[in-house]
Amino acid sequence: DTAVSQTPKYLVTQMGNDKSIKCEQNLGHDTMYWYKQDSKKFLKIMFSYNNKELIINETVPNRFSPKSPDKAHLNLHINSLELGDSAVYFCASSQGGFYNEQFFGPGTRLTVL
Amino acid sequence: AQTVTQSQPEMSVQEAETVTLSCTYDTSESDYYLFWYKQPPSRQMILVIRQEAYKQQNATENRFSVNFQKAAKSFSLKISDSQLGDAAMYFCAYRDTGTYKYIFGTGTRLKVLA
Repeated sequence: DTAVSQTPKYLVTQMGNDKSIKCEQNLGHDTMYWYKQDSKKFLKIMFSYNNKELIINETVPNRFSPKSPDKAHLNLHINSLELGDSAVYFCASSQGGFYNEQFFGPGTRLTVL
Repeated sequence: AQTVTQSQPEMSVQEAETVTLSCTYDTSESDYYLFWYKQPPSRQMILVIRQEAYKQQNATENRFSVNFQKAAKSFSLKISDSQLGDAAMYFCAYRDTGTYKYIFGTGTRLKVLA
């Protein structure tokens, strides 16, 4: 069983398009995250939701909008895609306690042409 | 603001040998948690080991162990008996009790030579 799944795994699109990445976790966790990993492998947090409430919102262009319909899902919608948005986007989840690890999805490689 | 620094962009180790990856962090908090994650070429991030700051004993998981020096704010990862499957990017991460946020270092690419 896949703990944290993301769709799609690969996404190739043209500049200016709007796209969404979906994330689902079946671990019963209450917190979910979106990270962006650039070409130099730097992992930067973008957003986090706890029990469907936005709790972390880093300095991210407002073209990026997360949506959490329920605790098990956290989707990322990106408007007006730019070349610089090309990266691998990771979804992750964790459960409450601060000692608890994050479980990561397989990543979505987004390529903007 | 908390920061995590991994000063070694790349390391190499011979198979069966031991290697140590460095991580330092900066925080004014006294209670926090530290993690090492592994990212193999498959991209999947996997937890390797974790340490609670209030525990003086260094964490150990099979061939993986840490050297946690709280006063020096240092959290290095030692991999013993290195295997080809250990080749990956390794990320050090920090989380304190006041936030849901994990802060990651820039990563160290480990190559294992046969």
